[in-house]
Amino acid sequence: DGGITQSPKYLFRKEGQNVTLSCEQNLNHDAMYWYRQDPGQGLRLIYYSQIVNDFQKGDIAEGYSVSREKKESFPLTVTSAQKNPTAFYLCASSKGGIGTEAFFGQGTRLTVV
Amino acid sequence: AQSVTQPDIHITVSEGASLELRCNYSYGATPYLFWYVQSPGQGLQLLLKYFSGDTLVQGIKGFEAEFKRSQSSFNLRKPSVHWSDAAEYFCAVGAWAAGNKLTFGGGTRVLVKP
Repeated sequence: DGGITQSPKYLFRKEGQNVTLSCEQNLNHDAMYWYRQDPGQGLRLIYYSQIVNDFQKGDIAEGYSVSREKKESFPLTVTSAQKNPTAFYLCASSKGGIGTEAFFGQGTRLTVV
Repeated sequence: AQSVTQPDIHITVSEGASLELRCNYSYGATPYLFWYVQSPGQGLQLLLKYFSGDTLVQGIKGFEAEFKRSQSSFNLRKPSVHWSDAAEYFCAVGAWAAGNKLTFGGGTRVLVKP
């Protein structure tokens, strides 16, 4: 079955460490997105990529970095510069055409202690 | 920039009763609008979407939504709620001119009483 795979589902890190969240899709979608979800705040866009080797900052990009070396993969690194990294992170992809919906992975819950 | 407001943070409804979730959006061009549902600790599943055409949109799980341009609203409805509908619901607006990214509302958590 086609879909989006995020791994791991739960991740624990010590404060000050960088951590990379994995996102892989086999839907042949051009566009991929990273969202952060905090209670009561909905989803906020961190980074998005419309095509391989290109990406743009979203609304809350500070303290995060991404790469898009392959169409299928869009890993997110949470750096030590991110002041409040504990959150639920969701990866999504879409065909990228007008009106197309985004498909979401199951999320990664990151806890920094 | 686009924005979405979901005025109700929590809604409690009895099983079998009707449900309506409110969504108001702000976007300078013709919007395309979505409703997603999320179970605890899970990703989001698309319920329905509106891009053009008929302003009453049918979705999965018996949900429907009506686009009202004059009110900048896209409210979600279900005639008879099932216990399995307890979840969090998100309205989103898509911005084609801005990388096709989605902007989400804050969500409405629905609790279903037996």
